[in-house]
Amino acid sequence: GQSLEQPSEVTAVEGAIVQINCTYQTSGFYGLSWYQQHDGGAPTFLSYNGLDGLEETGRFSSFLSRSDSYGYLLLQELQMKDSASYFCAVTGRFGAGTRLTVKP
Amino acid sequence: DAGVTQSPTHLIKTRGQQVTLRCSPKSGHDTVSWYQQALGQGPQFIFQYYEEEERQRGNFPDRFSGHQFPNYSSELNVNALLLGDSALYLCASSLALSGYSYEQYFGPGTRLTVT
Repeated sequence: GQSLEQPSEVTAVEGAIVQINCTYQTSGFYGLSWYQQHDGGAPTFLSYNGLDGLEETGRFSSFLSRSDSYGYLLLQELQMKDSASYFCAVTGRFGAGTRLTVKP
Repeated sequence: DAGVTQSPTHLIKTRGQQVTLRCSPKSGHDTVSWYQQALGQGPQFIFQYYEEEERQRGNFPDRFSGHQFPNYSSELNVNALLLGDSALYLCASSLALSGYSYEQYFGPGTRLTVT
């Protein structure tokens, strides 16, 4: 089977940095993806890690350690518009999501 | 470039009825996955279609079935609706060449309410 664990909620202030962790157990692993979903909207793809290490895309970075079955999404210079739910996903299976609230 | 489209946007059905939801993938994509998302939860994988065949299936009963057409569009059918089937149904498309759908594009979803 597959399971993905991530914190349910994270709160941070504007301009800060926040890290959302994800640990996974899967029978087959082909990389870790991250998605963002605003309330009332559809998930949108943020990043993908197929190999160990850090991938950077603007203010967002994602990290993977396959030996630890662990990854994280790093959001820098937080903005109010970053308030949303963030999901990690493996082979199309999603975690329960982390709700990020950015406060002024 | 047209993104993923889904129809209808909202639907109200009665318990025991059947429903069909439709999805057109992003232009150039050949793989369609369906998800059920309850309020406050992550998307739950229902199944994935590629080359008109069901390639993977999540932990959903046989009441949930699907189809993919030669133009890659897809349908999700749910029979004998239960109150617990009320949810947002999301369709996501991807390229098979991208590997196990690591980069999926989602449609806006169909909000199904079962009364």
